[in-house]
Amino acid sequence: QVQLVQSGAEVKKPGASVKVSCKVSGYTLTELSMHWVRQAPGKGLEWMGGFDPEDGETIYAQKFQGRVTMTEDTSTDTAYMELSSLRSEDTAVYYCATEKGYDSSGSHIWFDPWGQGTLVTVSS
Amino acid sequence: QSVLTQPPSVSGAPGQRVTISCTGSSSNIGASSDVHWYQQLPGAAPKLLIYLNNNRPSGVPDRFSASKSGTSASLAITGLQAEDEADYYCQSYDSSLSGSHYVFGTGTKVTVL
Repeated sequence: QVQLVQSGAEVKKPGASVKVSCKVSGYTLTELSMHWVRQAPGKGLEWMGGFDPEDGETIYAQKFQGRVTMTEDTSTDTAYMELSSLRSEDTAVYYCATEKGYDSSGSHIWFDPWGQGTLVTVSS
Repeated sequence: QSVLTQPPSVSGAPGQRVTISCTGSSSNIGASSDVHWYQQLPGAAPKLLIYLNNNRPSGVPDRFSASKSGTSASLAITGLQAEDEADYYCQSYDSSLSGSHYVFGTGTKVTVL
């Protein structure tokens, strides 16, 4: 079964960038479609983006376009999420999660499993 | 701002039944997008609870059930137990003029009295 292990907590200053990693085991990254979801303190879950197998491209939520980059290193089965121009509102726990489901429209897709989460704190 | 609305909190005594609603619109649940549910225990990552509207993954007790109708969905917990105290989120897929993306509900905190 798939297991996802994320990198440790980060503290960044406003304006900086952060890169969070998500190591896959049990499967190879090429067999999976990885997504990223964040959760601000005391708030709900927010989808940031993920790999769309239909197009073979990564799609990003409109809110994060231009600021987020999701990449993969298939040689190490590790996915990365880099968020730039950080501001205090980006303080959150960032999760990687793999896509499951059928057909490529998105209408029948859910996320399982999830990584343990990485806390990113943005503070001056 | 989430497009799926859930009650902020529900509570019940041990053994009771509680339900959590998830209200969407014609661009997500009403557009035949499936609804999935996650349980998030305090300090933990979300865990899949229900997929494709009413299916339980292996290991999820049959005390958890869900349904979908029109533009809404609901999760029911029967025989409420102390270990069910957690946050619950619904998730679906939204296609609107601003683009298509995955969406989560606002979240519901379940308290066992």
